[in-house]
Amino acid sequence: DAKTTQPPSMDCAEGRAANLPCNHSTISGNEYVYWYRQIHSQGPQYIIHGLKNNETNEMASLIITEDRKSSTLILPHATLRDTAVYYCIVRDSNYQLIWGAGTKLIIKP
Amino acid sequence: NAGVTQTPKFQVLKTGQSMTLQCAQDMNHNSMYWYRQDPGMGLRLIYYSASEGTTDKGEVPNGYNVSRLNKREFSLRLESAAPSQTSVYFCASSEGTGRYYGYTFGSGTRLTVV
Repeated sequence: DAKTTQPPSMDCAEGRAANLPCNHSTISGNEYVYWYRQIHSQGPQYIIHGLKNNETNEMASLIITEDRKSSTLILPHATLRDTAVYYCIVRDSNYQLIWGAGTKLIIKP
Repeated sequence: NAGVTQTPKFQVLKTGQSMTLQCAQDMNHNSMYWYRQDPGMGLRLIYYSASEGTTDKGEVPNGYNVSRLNKREFSLRLESAAPSQTSVYFCASSEGTGRYYGYTFGSGTRLTVV
């Protein structure tokens, strides 16, 4: 079973920041949190990952709470092309990704 | 750079037929993976190859076999296709299986078994 919980869907206005939450209350101390997205039916695209510090790259920022039980992916200036299903994933003990159903993010003009 | 290339993109099989899905990566990655995705669901791991010469079962290996032909290529074989194997199949690769590596995915093979 997936070790993360995400809302099934969210809306965001174009140009605004999109904040996608994820709960991972059973995460172990050495497990990373990964975010991927899947646009339409294409292959998933890696966005960002982190352990306990906040991370930022050219696509997004990842904020992880101090207790590591939840995180938020932030798309700072959402565009219509960011409409996708976003997956929050933690590694299982066999180092493989366990995927849930994700959050369908719809960016509205 | 092509990244991860999957062939074919679409396939229709009759129940009981066999076929092989091909995957190749040009990033010199050590690890490769096969996933399936059913409608409205996340991906499920079928098999993976941590490095050339090794393969291991994932979450849903029944009905499938794999071959890591060389460092670049990782194929998935359905010996006797069943309607329950109708799905979209994704191949992925990563530098290694460590927790800090991201995956690169192919564009998928849409398989229908009738």
